[in-house]
Amino acid sequence: DIVMTQTPLSLSVTPGQPASISCKSSQSLLHSDGKTYLYWYLQKPGQSPQLLIYEVSSRFSGVPDRFSGSGSGTDFTLKISRVEAEDVGVYYCMQGIHLLTFGGGTKVEIK
Amino acid sequence: EVQLVESGGGLVQPGGSLRLSCAASGFTFSTYSMNWVRQAPGKGLEWVSYISSSSSSIYYADSVKGRFTISRDNAKNALFLQMNSLRAEDTAVYFCAGGRALYWGQGTLVTVSS
Repeated sequence: DIVMTQTPLSLSVTPGQPASISCKSSQSLLHSDGKTYLYWYLQKPGQSPQLLIYEVSSRFSGVPDRFSGSGSGTDFTLKISRVEAEDVGVYYCMQGIHLLTFGGGTKVEIK
Repeated sequence: EVQLVESGGGLVQPGGSLRLSCAASGFTFSTYSMNWVRQAPGKGLEWVSYISSSSSSIYYADSVKGRFTISRDNAKNALFLQMNSLRAEDTAVYFCAGGRALYWGQGTLVTVSS
């Protein structure tokens, strides 16, 4: 089974400042079709998870461009260029190369 | 607009059964694989089960194998999860998720307690 490890567990960010979350997988997420199946989600309080980034770096429909994803193989990063109040919640990475496995989550709060 | 609407959750005693449903609309359901994902109170996300678009491939997490059964009806744009021999540790919000979790429903709460 693929294990997804996220760091840090939590972040407290001043509005307008950047934030970064790391995600590491126990196996490469690069598929033979050339795609890397790494996804990022935000779960706001009381809501279901919403897709932010798919295949490492592609923003899902309607996602602000302050969110960006990068990485390859087994190491990935989600960056928020300027955190806004509406960005609070728990961020999850997920691998989709073999079924689904989620990271443990990173809670982002505003200072 | 893509919509996934789960139903069927509730309070059930240990050892009991429930059948969850997920009604899909706004996308070509029959061409998408589907998943069930759960979230225990205050915890993270846990994948539960997968079914391919044609139902030819089905997988389960070890924690539910032999107790849960996933199925779908492409004619009715519906996904199901039959849950038997329920345990306290199955208490969670259950989400259906379309494709590689591109789309999510709002979830339905299953509580297993005496």
